Amino acid sequence: QSVLTQPPSVSGAPGQRVTISCTGSSSNIGAGYDVHWYQQLPGTAPKLLIYGNTNRPSGVPDRFSGSKSGTSASLAITGLQAEDEADYYCQSYDSSLSGSKVFGGGTKLTVL
Amino acid sequence: QVQLQESGPGLVKPSETLSLTCTVSGGSVSSGTYYWSWIRQPPGKGLEWIGYIYYSRSTNYNPSLKSRVTISVDTSKNQFSLKLTSVTAADTAVYYCAREQVLYCSATNCYTYLDYWGQGTLVTVSS
Repeated sequence: QSVLTQPPSVSGAPGQRVTISCTGSSSNIGAGYDVHWYQQLPGTAPKLLIYGNTNRPSGVPDRFSGSKSGTSASLAITGLQAEDEADYYCQSYDSSLSGSKVFGGGTKLTVL
Repeated sequence: QVQLQESGPGLVKPSETLSLTCTVSGGSVSSGTYYWSWIRQPPGKGLEWIGYIYYSRSTNYNPSLKSRVTISVDTSKNQFSLKLTSVTAADTAVYYCAREQVLYCSATNCYTYLDYWGQGTLVTVSS
């Protein structure tokens, strides 16, 4: 059971927009701690996609965007492409766990 | 461009100690700007943060693993290492090393994100 809750799977057709939610609590996202997102392509290491809730590292397409409100955060992907098929993980900080970083359980994105 | 590479045995017997090393190139583990972390991922499952070390040798560990984990740094070799004692089959996972970039610091903590990852190494616990 992950501290941050994500849907196990989402899907969309090429060109569509999908969102992935990440729900936490008052000891992590709700406490104001930032949320970061990682993309894990099949058989590879995770890659930073969004940091500080809304910021994209250099090289990440602007089709990817992040937002945060209350105890939840979301990752939106517009103009879906086949290469976006991957697992996506949210991550934050939890004050009830001695300063541990916590991850969501991951969401498998399928491009139909 | 920072690169991280994990190395160590791919097979460890139950009750023994898992030992891995992460070699950093293109950056220095002595830099006060970054923390250096270990994360693991059991086959087919999600990510679990294990802990980090700072160049000053201060550490922070996941409470669920704290009694069994030690992370150390060797600045002369630009490496940091993970030791996990008394392993069981539940410790079978791909182990990643990663760099943590500081986003901001409060009076008591620095808040970071994982900006560079190694490719990962599979460690199987089995007799």
